[in-house]
Amino acid sequence: KNEVEQSPQNLTAQEGEFITINCSYSVGISALHWLQQHPGGGIVSLFMLSSGKKKHGRLIATINIQEKHSSLHITASHPRDSAVYICAVEGGTSYGKLTFGQGTILTVHP
Amino acid sequence: EADIYQTPRYLVIGTGKKITLECSQTMGHDKMYWYQQDPGMELHLIHYSYGVNSTEKGDLSSESTVSRIRTEHFPLTLESARPSHTSQYLCASSRTGGMDEQFFGPGTRLTVL
Repeated sequence: KNEVEQSPQNLTAQEGEFITINCSYSVGISALHWLQQHPGGGIVSLFMLSSGKKKHGRLIATINIQEKHSSLHITASHPRDSAVYICAVEGGTSYGKLTFGQGTILTVHP
Repeated sequence: EADIYQTPRYLVIGTGKKITLECSQTMGHDKMYWYQQDPGMELHLIHYSYGVNSTEKGDLSSESTVSRIRTEHFPLTLESARPSHTSQYLCASSRTGGMDEQFFGPGTRLTVL
């Protein structure tokens, strides 16, 4: 069993739909990262959080430390949101060293 | 826009060749990382550095080596490339201190024939 599990692995949505991607982890962490990877391979950091909730534009990330669970929400999804969304955790004493989930492939149709 | 660069972006090379993948950042970050990603698979940390003259192996065993002689430069070397090294290699950096976002380079897609 991987230390970081994402669900679903694949997600297809229609433009405008509300999207949720889930991430569960099994180790103690100091922070959780949400990343976006486009087809060309480039990766962009979306959020880094250690508690509560963060919002940036149409993206919202939440984390529940007690339940070892995080969610990434996209409101009013758009075809340009199509990408792979990756959850990664940063260990409690290993600053900067990330363990990654397998990613969620999101496709948003117009 | 992240100021972290990788060259080459694509490399096709024969077995047994020595290769160096370059990674540079202009943000003055102390921490730098190399990740390996096979197609359709998750990223794995193969090397990291917390500063000049500091390098450590990551969670995934790799035959590659790294050096950190200058803050801005973190090259990765394969002494003798093999087809099993075919993968995408991504470099990243972050500020000193815990819990900082990482900035990723565009990656090098390596194919060893």
